[in-house]
Amino acid sequence: EPEVTQTPSHQVTQMGQEVILRCVPISNHLYFYWYRQILGQKVEFLVSFYNNEISEKSEIFDDQFSVERPDGSNFTLKIRSTKLEDSAMYFCASSEALGTHQPQHFGDGTRLSIL
Amino acid sequence: AQKVTQAQTEISVVEKEDVTLDCVYETRDTTYYLFWYKQPPSGELVFLIRRNSFDEQNEISGRYSWNFQKSTSSFNFTITASQVVDSAVYFCALTDYNQGGKLIFGQGTELSVKP
Repeated sequence: EPEVTQTPSHQVTQMGQEVILRCVPISNHLYFYWYRQILGQKVEFLVSFYNNEISEKSEIFDDQFSVERPDGSNFTLKIRSTKLEDSAMYFCASSEALGTHQPQHFGDGTRLSIL
Repeated sequence: AQKVTQAQTEISVVEKEDVTLDCVYETRDTTYYLFWYKQPPSGELVFLIRRNSFDEQNEISGRYSWNFQKSTSSFNFTITASQVVDSAVYFCALTDYNQGGKLIFGQGTELSVKP
């Protein structure tokens, strides 16, 4: 069964450094998402992406964050200057159609640790 | 605003017991979708079920069953004859038709099934 893949599984970065989290969505999916889960807390929406542009973003997704689909298969989340509070599990998800009609399939996540 | 409440933070049962996980949601929209996801200790998010607001039929899948009641804005999840492998955090989530697929998650219920 096709799946969403995320790399790396764990990223350790010094505060203030830039980090790029990578995702390969399911190949025929058109809608892409990033979510964040701080340890022990609920999963929070960051951003949705469709047709090469951001569809919606949350308050968490400030100017330090950006997303890109550089080559038609990868979907990346960049954090420009990381802060301690960015430490979390980051999940990528994709769906064939808008999430209301098709479920979002999640990757296994990237655990980001900021030192 | 949309909101999902899972009042049970932790539940502990002994194997073979039945257990019900509660989910209450708030939305102003008349068209919306509800989901349950499982997060095992390994951390990934596994899609379990999607329900639209027009379909109040209960659903059964093996040992899993879901009870959707619009009158009480609830979408409860029951595991029959629980097994140790059911131990995980379970998240209920909501998306409105006009939300562009953004999932609003509840806080999650950590289920521990002891042998």
